[in-house]
Amino acid sequence: EVQLVESGGGLVQPGRSLKLSCAASGFTFSNYYMAWVRQAPKKGLEWVATISTSGSRTYYPDSVKGRFTISRDNAKSSLYLQMNSLKSEDTATYYCARRTEAPFDYWGQGVMVTVSS
Amino acid sequence: NIVLTQSPATLSVTPGESVSLSCRASQSISTSIHWYQQKSNESPRLLIKYASQSISGIPSRFSGSGSGTDFTLSINRVESEDFSIYYCQQSYSSFTFGSGTKLEIK
Repeated sequence: EVQLVESGGGLVQPGRSLKLSCAASGFTFSNYYMAWVRQAPKKGLEWVATISTSGSRTYYPDSVKGRFTISRDNAKSSLYLQMNSLKSEDTATYYCARRTEAPFDYWGQGVMVTVSS
Repeated sequence: NIVLTQSPATLSVTPGESVSLSCRASQSISTSIHWYQQKSNESPRLLIKYASQSISGIPSRFSGSGSGTDFTLSINRVESEDFSIYYCQQSYSSFTFGSGTKLEIK
């Protein structure tokens, strides 16, 4: 059974940093692109980052480019999201998702990040 | 950026009715559209990929159609467990999601 379990969320002040982790199991992690998708409270979904199987290629939307960094450790079947210079508009539930072809076929349960002073 | 517009924002139906949810893209995206269901306080679940391709484990009452700019998710005879929010997502150029259609009980 595919499982994705996020951790590392919490309350952080504007301008500070936070690193999210996602532990994957039930599939060969190194064979899949992975991604982070977020959802602000009572809002829709927003893609945040994607990483290739080896980690050599990463992709971001303009809203987080230069502030967020996605990475992975295939030996540990783990995905990460380093978030720097956090803003109030980054407040959201962050989902780790497996990318198959183009859609995201499995999602974690999500981790909440609140950016507030 | 490709914008996806979903309509209606809210759809009120009686269990047993059949419904169609719309997703319109701001430019042609071939069939690079995918549909998700999100129940309250749960993660999204992939329902349909590439406009009309079924997903293993998803009930056959869910189907998708369309190409270019206009896409439809159809639910044949809505069941109580189907009341949730539905999102479309494009993968033609980067990734964007629609704002969602909430399917609620009338």
